[in-house]
Amino acid sequence: AQSVTQLDSQVPVFEEAPVELRCNYSSSVSVYLFWYVQYPNQGLQLLLKYLSGSTLVESINGFEAEFNKSQTSFHLRKPSVHISDTAEYFCAVSEAGAGSYQLTFGKGTKLSVIP
Amino acid sequence: DVKVTQSSRYLVKRTGEKVFLECVQDMDHENMFWYRQDPGLGLRLIYFSYDVKMKEKGDIPEGYSVSREKKERFSLILESASTNQTSMYLCASSLSHPVKYEQYFGPGTRLTVT
Repeated sequence: AQSVTQLDSQVPVFEEAPVELRCNYSSSVSVYLFWYVQYPNQGLQLLLKYLSGSTLVESINGFEAEFNKSQTSFHLRKPSVHISDTAEYFCAVSEAGAGSYQLTFGKGTKLSVIP
Repeated sequence: DVKVTQSSRYLVKRTGEKVFLECVQDMDHENMFWYRQDPGLGLRLIYFSYDVKMKEKGDIPEGYSVSREKKERFSLILESASTNQTSMYLCASSLSHPVKYEQYFGPGTRLTVT
């Protein structure tokens, strides 16, 4: 069974400052990793994912995450945040391979961007 | 465009009522999921289904049941609603292909049981 730990429940940051949202996972097998974003009063949307290959993955709105197998981490970063990035961010893990399509989610990190 | 819809955005029910939450996806996805989301607890899986008429318990199935009679529709049923079932309920769907596991979510139903 997998587990996900998001180390910060809330992260306030000033507009145009960099941000890192931390995610660590635990699994005895190979994994796929995901970051989802939830804007107020909406469902979750996929932000980016790591399945295989390059350990650095990017989203279309400037976020990136790096898979670090030795540290079992998948931290999310953005070099300069905008007000519109205010949302809750969820890290999720699934077991790699056929037949394992359940996701285990972390408890979420609320990012508040301060003008 | 991928679409998951949920029958209600907000719902208020009384204790003891039978409650139906409906979810429909238009992507021909094999898998469908019901989660509940509570502050500080993240998303917890209630039930999922990997095929029509098939269902599996998630982490917190007690007090809930599900029905999947058609591929595109997955219903969550609260047989006798209780106040501790007041929560945000999220439906999701996904393909079974190994590299397409990302789940697509509906907008959520905020259920209040009084």
